[in-house]
Amino acid sequence: GAVVSQHPSRVICKSGTSVKIECRSLDFQATTMFWYRQFPKKSLMLMATSNEGSKATYEQGVEKDKFLINHASLTLSTLTVTSAHPEDSSFYICSARDPLGNTEAFFGQGTRLTVV
Amino acid sequence: AQKITQTQPGMFVQEKEAVTLDCTYDTSDQSYGLFWYKQPSSGEMIFLIYQGSYDEQNATEGRYSLNFQKARKSANLVISASQLGDSAMYFCAMREGGWTGNQFYFGTGTSLTVIP
Repeated sequence: GAVVSQHPSRVICKSGTSVKIECRSLDFQATTMFWYRQFPKKSLMLMATSNEGSKATYEQGVEKDKFLINHASLTLSTLTVTSAHPEDSSFYICSARDPLGNTEAFFGQGTRLTVV
Repeated sequence: AQKITQTQPGMFVQEKEAVTLDCTYDTSDQSYGLFWYKQPSSGEMIFLIYQGSYDEQNATEGRYSLNFQKARKSANLVISASQLGDSAMYFCAMREGGWTGNQFYFGTGTSLTVIP
């Protein structure tokens, strides 16, 4: 099946710095990718929908200036957590849908962010 | 209202036994898809099984089957012959709009523990 690769899998950063997380579709072109956040033992919360060549659509309550999303190509979307704070520590996971209409949505491996 | 409801925060099953994980959904769309994902402790989301709203037969994938009861709006996952490696979080999800739908709605998950 299609593969979505997310990098890095783990990152530790200092408060106030920025962290970039990459989500790549390896064998298909994804015009739309999705970014989720997951707190420990909780469900996935959709943060934003990333559209290739246009601005991302953010869910209510998600700060677009803090969580910058760029979808510059059909195979790459990036999420940058700017001026990170300890409360941004979480598990972030992306997904992409095969535009040919495959029923699956493919998820990246996730990124565990710890802000110290 | 919750789109997806999973009422079992935790379940235990004896190895080699079958287990049913409950999921109910809420939608007014005629076209929708129902998904089950497995999330081991590593965090990746592993697609298990899919049921389309127009599918008349219950979906099956190896040891996984989906008990789809449309009138009751339930989509329970049945795992037969449980294995130790089945211990994980299980999420039920729905995508409204069929092929054109994008956003997933996830349930809160069920933590399954398989006992040797």
